[in-house]
Amino acid sequence: DAGVIQSPRHEVTEMGQEVTLRCKPISGHNSLFWYRQTMMRGLELLIYFNNNVPIDDSGMPEDRFSAKMPNASFSTLKIQPSEPRDSAVYFCASSFDGSDGLYGYTFGSGTRLTVV
Amino acid sequence: TQLLEQSPQFLSIQEGENLTVYCNSSSVFSSLQWYRQEPGEGPVLLVTVVTGGEVKKLKRLTFQFGDARKDSSLHITAAQPGDTGLYLCAGALQGAQKLVFGQGTRLTINP
Repeated sequence: DAGVIQSPRHEVTEMGQEVTLRCKPISGHNSLFWYRQTMMRGLELLIYFNNNVPIDDSGMPEDRFSAKMPNASFSTLKIQPSEPRDSAVYFCASSFDGSDGLYGYTFGSGTRLTVV
Repeated sequence: TQLLEQSPQFLSIQEGENLTVYCNSSSVFSSLQWYRQEPGEGPVLLVTVVTGGEVKKLKRLTFQFGDARKDSSLHITAAQPGDTGLYLCAGALQGAQKLVFGQGTRLTINP
């Protein structure tokens, strides 16, 4: 398996522009998570899906952020309009949530977003 | 306020030394995981501990889950430069479908 695949690896955009981050989870995993990492705040959970359904989006900063998971093999995180304070590394992770408890997460390599 | 507090936040030691990193909480976790993250990459799972008092070893790394399942430690023996990275603990609260991450310990092993 190629692991969790994120694209793009790097994104530089101007303030006010729309940004779309993409994630392909590991086949067979039924949970998908979007995280944001900064030096100041560490890893923050933005939203997670179970069986393609959003379960908890309480970490989404504001209405400018939205996430979708149209099928089991693809998810997007969109920021519209983007602001400089959105600059961070965004990670997607997937796992299998079984009846016997949480399995470990597999993280993608992340998207480094810079908003200027 | 972090649900999981890691200490120290930064640690820089010489190759060959031993070290311990701590992960503490006032909450009880059904399981706890440790990850290592290298620059430019996502965190990678090292181990999962489930039972209170459980000890797991991974070569020179020893992981322990506290008896009350509220804390954990990671001990590295004879540290090597390849151990350099950000170490993150993450806990699963009872019945939760998601992990809570600590803020991490940034470890540097100097040759």
